[in-house]
Amino acid sequence: TQLLKQSPQFLSIQEGENLTVYCNSSSVFSSLQWYRQEPGEGPVLLVTVVTGGEVKKLKRLTFQFGDARKDSSLHITAAQPGDTGLYLCAAESRGSTLGRLYFGRGTQLTVWP
Amino acid sequence: NAGVTQTPKFQVLKTGQSMTLQCAQDMNHEYMSWYRQDPGMGLRLIHYSVGAGITDQGEVPNGYNVSRSTTEDFPLRLLSAAPSQTSVYFCASTPTGTGTGERYFGPGTRLTVT
Repeated sequence: TQLLKQSPQFLSIQEGENLTVYCNSSSVFSSLQWYRQEPGEGPVLLVTVVTGGEVKKLKRLTFQFGDARKDSSLHITAAQPGDTGLYLCAAESRGSTLGRLYFGRGTQLTVWP
Repeated sequence: NAGVTQTPKFQVLKTGQSMTLQCAQDMNHEYMSWYRQDPGMGLRLIHYSVGAGITDQGEVPNGYNVSRSTTEDFPLRLLSAAPSQTSVYFCASTPTGTGTGERYFGPGTRLTVT
């Protein structure tokens, strides 16, 4: 059973385009994290969202946590080749102490110059 | 700080062989965990530890053992390797008490079992 469903699985776009990646679940989460992973390296945290409806911006990246804390989205404005990578969402179940962090299967983004 | 370090970076085993994947962190993080990453499967939690002497199972613990004798080290042992354990293994550590739960990942060990 897949706790976190990410879509799309693959995304290939031209430089300058906008895109949105989704992370959905039927479970409620106390927090949700977004990571980016480049080939041959471990994932690196981009952002953590905690409050339902929360919006966080990181330069051209905008992260939103759903009101019900079951889903999240990542929007990239004017994508650049440097944005290429595997984007992973991850979440710990509501009420859980620091224990199990579940990951989605990821969205592989390729931005062409 | 070196952060999270993993050795070896690459390893090839034959079915039935045993080995230990090493993981160390110098950030004094209490929480450490092991994940495996397979194509199209994301990262799946194998085992985790909330402190020295305490370990627990994750989603896919079968075939793997762990121990945590010090805060710094969290080795992962494969007692009898199987081809299904071919994967990339990531170790991660997390500071407790900060509230964010950020996992700091090592560079990974790419394991092939033939």
